Amino acid sequence: KQEVTQIPAALSVPEGENLVLNCSFTDSAIYNLQWFRQDPGKGLTSLLLIQSSQREQTSGRLNASLDKSSGRSTLYIAASQPGDSATYLCAVRGTDKLIFGTGTRLQVFP
Amino acid sequence: DTEVTQTPKHLVMGMTNKKSLKCEQHMGHRAMYWYKQKAKKPPELMFVYSYEKLSINESVPSRFSPECPNSSLLNLHLHALQPEDSALYLCASSHQEQDRAQYFGPGTRLLVL
Repeated sequence: KQEVTQIPAALSVPEGENLVLNCSFTDSAIYNLQWFRQDPGKGLTSLLLIQSSQREQTSGRLNASLDKSSGRSTLYIAASQPGDSATYLCAVRGTDKLIFGTGTRLQVFP
Repeated sequence: DTEVTQTPKHLVMGMTNKKSLKCEQHMGHRAMYWYKQKAKKPPELMFVYSYEKLSINESVPSRFSPECPNSSLLNLHLHALQPEDSALYLCASSHQEQDRAQYFGPGTRLLVL
């Protein structure tokens, strides 16, 4: 059974810092890995999708990497801003569904 | 356009009420999903529709009844719910291929009294 874990569970940093959020999964037989952002009480916004054959994807200040063999992905956020404050979820796609991680709650203060 | 819309945004219902949640997408996606999310927890899959047919039911109680009238619409009919069913209900859609991204709607915040 696939299990997805995110570390740290919560993170509070001053504005301007570069951040790394971690995601690990137990079964490397995945189709892709998706990173999402969720603001309190809102839906999920897709940030990046990495296919199983890819090593990384970039969008603006965000960079996500995938090491399928070791069951790890990282989300790198450059020059963090207060507007980045949210919960970040990773999810791996197995045969028939997404399995979500436990999430990292990020707070960036001015 | 990667928008999935959901109505209503908020819903309060009694345990004897019947209500429906609605979800719509116009991205040509043929897979649609219902998730339930409790506070501070990740979303949990409830149902998957593939080409308007129910393909996955994650052992959801029968008081939740999904319906997919066409390729753009997904409904979730609610009847005789319990207070513990209070949660954020999220709809998502994707292309059929397993390597494609899922896109989520804003959710319906449900409170059962």
